[in-house]
Amino acid sequence: SQKIEQNSEALNIQEGKTATLTCNYTNYSPAYLQWYRQDPGRGPVFLLLIRENEKEKRKERLKVTFDTTLKQSLFHITASQPADSATYLCALGSWGKFQFGAGTQVVVTP
Amino acid sequence: GAVVSQHPSRVICKSGTSVKIECRSLDFQATTMFWYRQFPKQSLMLMATSNEGSKATYEQGVEKDKFLINHASLTLSTLTVTSAHPEDSSFYICSAAGDRGSSEQYFGPGTRLTVT
Repeated sequence: SQKIEQNSEALNIQEGKTATLTCNYTNYSPAYLQWYRQDPGRGPVFLLLIRENEKEKRKERLKVTFDTTLKQSLFHITASQPADSATYLCALGSWGKFQFGAGTQVVVTP
Repeated sequence: GAVVSQHPSRVICKSGTSVKIECRSLDFQATTMFWYRQFPKQSLMLMATSNEGSKATYEQGVEKDKFLINHASLTLSTLTVTSAHPEDSSFYICSAAGDRGSSEQYFGPGTRLTVT
């Protein structure tokens, strides 16, 4: 069955450092992969989308890589700030349907 | 980005009653809307996909008679939890996409349902 794995342990990081999150998947060939931010009690907010034929995408302090051979995506937050503290979800999609990972909580301390 | 609203944001109801949750796309026409459920510290689980003017497609294990979905217009979809039970207590989130098969979806803020 399809499976998406994100590190369940919270990532504690000091302000200014780079946070790196991992999303691994099995039994899936997604057309694209997305990363979302979710704050407690709120709906997810879209951050980045990367397609199967793309290796890397950047947006401001965010960078996403997508390795379809390893079946893995890495999500980087550079120069992290306390305001970046949230849970980050990866989602795999094909033809408009999405499957989400459970998310990794990031805590950025001053 | 596009704005999607949900109402109510929180609802508490008694066991056996029905609850309706509205999902609206405020500034675009949503051909497709998705309904998810999320339990604490777990991933979003897709419940159903609804396309405007047609019946919703439910995911395996989701009871269509219990979770009634109506996508009557391009800006509104409703989820009705019928005869709610405490195990239905969860965070319900809708999302909207502009086109069928679109890679972009926009999420509502979610509705916290508590069944006592």
